[in-house]
Amino acid sequence: EVVLTQSPGTLSLSPGERATLSCRASQSVRSGQLAWYQQKAGQAPRLLIYGASIRATGIPDRFSVSGSGTDFTLTISRLEPEDLAVYYCQQYGNSISFGGGTKVEIK
Amino acid sequence: QVQLVQSGAEVKKPGASVKVSCKASGYSFTDYYIHWVRQAPGQGLEWMGRLNPNSGATNYAPKFQGRVTMTRAMSISTTYMELSQLTSDDAAVYYCARVLWAGYDAFDIWGQGTLVTVSS
Repeated sequence: EVVLTQSPGTLSLSPGERATLSCRASQSVRSGQLAWYQQKAGQAPRLLIYGASIRATGIPDRFSVSGSGTDFTLTISRLEPEDLAVYYCQQYGNSISFGGGTKVEIK
Repeated sequence: QVQLVQSGAEVKKPGASVKVSCKASGYSFTDYYIHWVRQAPGQGLEWMGRLNPNSGATNYAPKFQGRVTMTRAMSISTTYMELSQLTSDDAAVYYCARVLWAGYDAFDIWGQGTLVTVSS
């Protein structure tokens, strides 16, 4: 099983700041088969990024991903109030597993 | 539009089973795998397994093997997830989700979630 570890657990930033979220895998993620989701309170998750760095339909370019192998970073370049959410990474190259999530709070 | 609509909330006693449905619309039902993911209160996402709506073939996460059954009814574009021998640890919101495309298990469409409460 591929274990995904996300950090930090919580990120508290002001609007306009840059958010950097980490996802570390216990083994190399095959063929960049990593996705990121945004989940707002009381809602189902929403796909942000797949194929390690491809934005899903309708996702603004404020969201980007870098990294490969075992270390990936989701960056939100300029935080907006609506970015308040929990963000999960998921790998789907070796069965499927999710990270524990990073909560983004807006000051 | 493309959507997945799940059945309503359930309250079950420990030891019972629950069956949640997920009705697809707006796309060709047999072209996309459906996965089930659950989320306990205040917790993260947990993958349970997947179903190929075309063949009916399934793959289950080891944790749920022997306790979960995923099926489909092609005539009504609906998939089902049944979980047996419920305990309080199974109290969660259960989601169905559609893959982006065949063999690419990122989930672009999600159901609204079904809350399952387990209480004596």
